[in-house]
Amino acid sequence: AQSVTQLGSHVSVSEGALVLLRCNYSSSVPPYLFWYVQYPNQGLQLLLKYTSAATLVKGINGFEAEFKKSETSFHLTKPSAHMSDAAEYFCAVSDRAGANNLFFGTGTRLTVIP
Amino acid sequence: DAGVIQSPRHEVTEMGQEVTLRCKPISGHDYLFWYRQTMMRGLELLIYFNNNVPIDDSGMPEDRFSAKMPNASFSTLKIQPSEPRDSAVYFCASSLMGAGYTFGSGTRLTVV
Repeated sequence: AQSVTQLGSHVSVSEGALVLLRCNYSSSVPPYLFWYVQYPNQGLQLLLKYTSAATLVKGINGFEAEFKKSETSFHLTKPSAHMSDAAEYFCAVSDRAGANNLFFGTGTRLTVIP
Repeated sequence: DAGVIQSPRHEVTEMGQEVTLRCKPISGHDYLFWYRQTMMRGLELLIYFNNNVPIDDSGMPEDRFSAKMPNASFSTLKIQPSEPRDSAVYFCASSLMGAGYTFGSGTRLTVV
């Protein structure tokens, strides 16, 4: 069975500050991990994905995530928050790179304070 | 490509009525997924298809829900009869093996 846990349903940061959104996974097989972003009234968009290549994955909009097997974590970071980053972020896990069955976390709503 | 297209964007219906949600996946994608999003439960996978064949429908809440994919370019999710607790945002997504999901903009369903 696979699952992800996102710590913190709400995170607030000041504009220009570091963004850190936490995700821990549970998987009985080597996982494939994803971060998605959802802007208000829109569907989910893929930010980045880890598929067993480099452990540090760079995505769109300046986000990156690092796969740490020892900590079973895949935290999402961005060095400097922008107002446009305000959205809901979802971590997801699959047992295949093709992700024909993704299991999503409960999401973290990011607020950026001017 | 126009992406995954869902219709309608919003649907308000009375309890007991039939509701049909529609999805057009990205051309060439071989997987199609239906998700439901609520504040209480987050994102739940309802059913997914591979090459138009339903693979896993274990997430479908009950017999009132049914989904079809008559061809590679169209899928429907039907609720009959609808109930207030079905109110949610329903997302369709499609994928091609190895390329991740592309989500539609969702259908916001309100059952009164």
